[in-house]
Amino acid sequence: LAKTTQPISMDSYEGQEVNITCSHNNIATNDYITWYQQFPSQGPRFIIQGYKTKVTNEVASLFIPADRKSSTLSLPRVSLSDTAVYYCLVGDPWTNAGKSTFGDGTTLTVKP
Amino acid sequence: DAGVIQSPRHEVTEMGQEVTLRCKPISGHNSLFWYRQTMMRGLELLIYFNNNVPIDDSGMPEDRFSAKMPNASFSTLKIQPSEPRDSAVYFCASSFQAGYNSPLHFGNGTRLTVT
Repeated sequence: LAKTTQPISMDSYEGQEVNITCSHNNIATNDYITWYQQFPSQGPRFIIQGYKTKVTNEVASLFIPADRKSSTLSLPRVSLSDTAVYYCLVGDPWTNAGKSTFGDGTTLTVKP
Repeated sequence: DAGVIQSPRHEVTEMGQEVTLRCKPISGHNSLFWYRQTMMRGLELLIYFNNNVPIDDSGMPEDRFSAKMPNASFSTLKIQPSEPRDSAVYFCASSFQAGYNSPLHFGNGTRLTVT
């Protein structure tokens, strides 16, 4: 399974765009990249998933370069309620979705 | 959609006691996962089921832990006997199918404290 590396923590201010990068140098051909958000006392919540290039939904964008060895979660115009831990997961959903490993995550703190 | 429902939300027990955690997955989801979260080890996958069948239990820490899924709408995680090092938040998650890019939907967890 591909190991992921993320910054331990990040600070931002309300209204700013936040980019969190995840490194996954040994990503396999069939691996997808998935991001989750976790608030205190809650389970992780799915944000976005992608395989290559760019994916956008109503919450975030996910940028994946051609070599797929990293990915960047982009949160536009964050608010205080975006303060949470963000996890990057890499895995093959066809064979080992159940083994998707959560790393340490990135603790994002949004300040007023 | 009520989401994944776990019970109890909090459990405090004494060392040596049996503990049973319960989970009701989202209706129509056929994959179910049990995770454990601690400060030291983060989120760890314990076991997952496809169509009520355990697929991989390699994450179960030891024989004191067991999980069952008697039907598509219910699963239990049992610890017998419990030990203080089992204290953690236990999450249940379900997905439409393990594969097919199906994201995990997590419950709000059971916070277990073993004294």
